[in-house]
Amino acid sequence: NAGVMQNPRHLVRRRGQEARLRCSPMKGHSHVYWYRQLPEEGLKFMVYLQKENIIDESGMPKERFSAEFPKEGPSILRIQQVVRGDSAAYFCASSPGGIGHEQYFGPGTRLTVT
Amino acid sequence: GIQVEQSPPDLILQEGANSTLRCNFSDSVNNLQWFHQNPWGQLINLFYIPSGTKQNGRLSATTVATERYSLLYISSSQTTDSGVYFCAVEGGSYIPTFGRGTSLIVHP
Repeated sequence: NAGVMQNPRHLVRRRGQEARLRCSPMKGHSHVYWYRQLPEEGLKFMVYLQKENIIDESGMPKERFSAEFPKEGPSILRIQQVVRGDSAAYFCASSPGGIGHEQYFGPGTRLTVT
Repeated sequence: GIQVEQSPPDLILQEGANSTLRCNFSDSVNNLQWFHQNPWGQLINLFYIPSGTKQNGRLSATTVATERYSLLYISSSQTTDSGVYFCAVEGGSYIPTFGRGTSLIVHP
């Protein structure tokens, strides 16, 4: 029973390029959350999605960031025109339901912007 | 939004020692989880514990929801317990809030 999968595990981008981070939830899970972790800090919520729907994106920066969870395929977190401040670890988590369900985390993608 | 405070921020132990980590939260919660982030960055689920007490081997956790705190107990600590322990809560919405974590170092 595969866990949450994220790829790539490490991503290096130059300033101004685009970064695409992928997350495949656990089998049977239709709820996906994305978080960002800066060095020496806890995880900060970014966006909550169900299949084909963004439920809550209140933690997402208003510009350059977008997320989707299509009917088929993984969830994608897209960062356009990356800047050095976007360097962080990005984690996704999945759960079988919304409020009150246990979340399971992927291994994360470490984004470095040079 | 809901506030989450973890204490202590840092903890250094000798192998074999016991410890208690605390998580205080500012409002009633629907969900509370404890995670261990190992030195490689992986987040490992320890407990899903919105209330009550659970045990798993050398680890146990207690959440007293009416008093808005949770405790994580580590007994007979091992070097592999090193890492950062996070508490995450869900209040009235489905947006989980993480504490800043307790960084644990266990020396052999």
